[in-house]
Amino acid sequence: GAGVSQSPSNKVTEKGKDVELRCDPISGHTALYWYRQSLGQGLEFLIYFQGNSAPDKSGLPSDRFSAERTGGSVSTLTIQRTQQEDSAVYLCASSLAAGAEAFFGQGTRLTVV
Amino acid sequence: DQQVKQNSPSLSVQEGRISILNCDYTNSMFDYFLWYKKYPAEGPTFLISISSIKDKNEDGRFTVFLNKSAKHLSLHIVPSQPGDSAVYFCAASGSSNYKLTFGKGTLLTVNP
Repeated sequence: GAGVSQSPSNKVTEKGKDVELRCDPISGHTALYWYRQSLGQGLEFLIYFQGNSAPDKSGLPSDRFSAERTGGSVSTLTIQRTQQEDSAVYLCASSLAAGAEAFFGQGTRLTVV
Repeated sequence: DQQVKQNSPSLSVQEGRISILNCDYTNSMFDYFLWYKKYPAEGPTFLISISSIKDKNEDGRFTVFLNKSAKHLSLHIVPSQPGDSAVYFCAASGSSNYKLTFGKGTLLTVNP
């Protein structure tokens, strides 16, 4: 596809379960970001991948959160032992290079019940 | 510690008039600024950007102004159209750290 693709678009999970969110960035984009937007809040930075550099994980809220980017392309955000406060829209974005405009996917709406 | 602030949660304007959306930042290392528009149930879409070496950038109905001394930028939309109704996010990054830091957004409503 031409844009950033995220799956699933919606996920409802029980508290305590693990979830995996997937992001397919635009082909050739070296930078990839994960953000989340909780109800009524702005976009909260989670993690940033740039090429082969070590990722910037400074935004991950706890050690239950982790992310990988395999082969410089697809990324997976994993949340272990989900809590209700993890409920949010998780947004992935990619950009052609560090500092260039980022293009967002449509997001994954996660609801923890 | 909000490094990018959008102090107006909402703004309402009449169709055809100017919309002015404001953004303030605190980190003097920021040197690249962007505006994004977001419709419900969609991801944000890039609108316009400005580098710190400029004080104005224009693209059609959209103009971004940057006042570095005041650490303030604004987005002007003129004339405003009902289709412009959306949440507008201001974002900033620095050449030493490219992650985008976003404000909380301003909901713009353009009334026909």
